[in-house]
Amino acid sequence: ETGVTQSPTHLIKTRGQQVTLRCSSQSGHNTVSWYQQALGQGPQFIFQYYREEENGRGNFPPRFSGLQFPNYSSELNVNALELDDSALYLCASSWNRGGYGYTFGSGTRLTVV
Amino acid sequence: KNEVEQSPQNLTAQEGEFITINCSYSVGISALHWLQQHPGGGIVSLFMLSSGKKKHGRLIATINIQEKHSSLHITASHPRDSAVYICAVGEGGSEKLVFGKGTKLTVNP
Repeated sequence: ETGVTQSPTHLIKTRGQQVTLRCSSQSGHNTVSWYQQALGQGPQFIFQYYREEENGRGNFPPRFSGLQFPNYSSELNVNALELDDSALYLCASSWNRGGYGYTFGSGTRLTVV
Repeated sequence: KNEVEQSPQNLTAQEGEFITINCSYSVGISALHWLQQHPGGGIVSLFMLSSGKKKHGRLIATINIQEKHSSLHITASHPRDSAVYICAVGEGGSEKLVFGKGTKLTVNP
C-alpha cells in the first residue's frame, strides 16, 4: 500500500509566474484534498476533488485551480503568483468525502520571491 | 463554522514526563484527527476518532462527544516526540477538515 506522494518537495517561483503541484493519492483512495499552510498557522482548506469533480472549495481566489485524473492523482495550479502564496501545500487523500481516513503527503514548500 | 482550539500553544517537557494536549471544537463532527508535523512539514496521521479512546504505543487519544473535547496523551515522553501536534475535525457530510493551529511540543533530554 503506497502512501501519498507530492512533487516537487521544494519550489521557488517569481511573483506573477504560474506553478503546478502534483499529488499521487494512496492506492484505493478516490478523494484528494488540498490545503495551504502558512508559516505558524494550521492548514487551510483549498478544495477537494472526488472522482475527477471538484467537491467543495475554501476561501481561495479562482487563480487557484485543480484537476483530478482517472487514476485519482491530482494537480494544484496557481496562476499569477503573489508573495503571500508562499506556504506549504499539503495534499491528503481519502476513500470518501466525509472527513474520514485521511492520508497526508509530505507537502510542497513553495516560496514566491 | 467549526472553530477548533488547541491548548497549550507551546509545551516544553523533560524526557519521561506525561504530556497532555487538548482540543476543543464548537460544532458536531463526524471524526476528529490527531496529526503530527515535524520541522520540514510532512504530516503524519496519528489517530482518527469518532468516540471513546484509542491507543498506539505511548500515545493515547480520547474524545468526549458531549463536551466537544479531545485529548492527546504521550506517556514516557522522549526527545523524538518533539513536533507540532495538530487537531483537525471533519464535519458530518462536509468535504473538508478544519484544523487547529497546533501545539508545539519540545521534549528535552
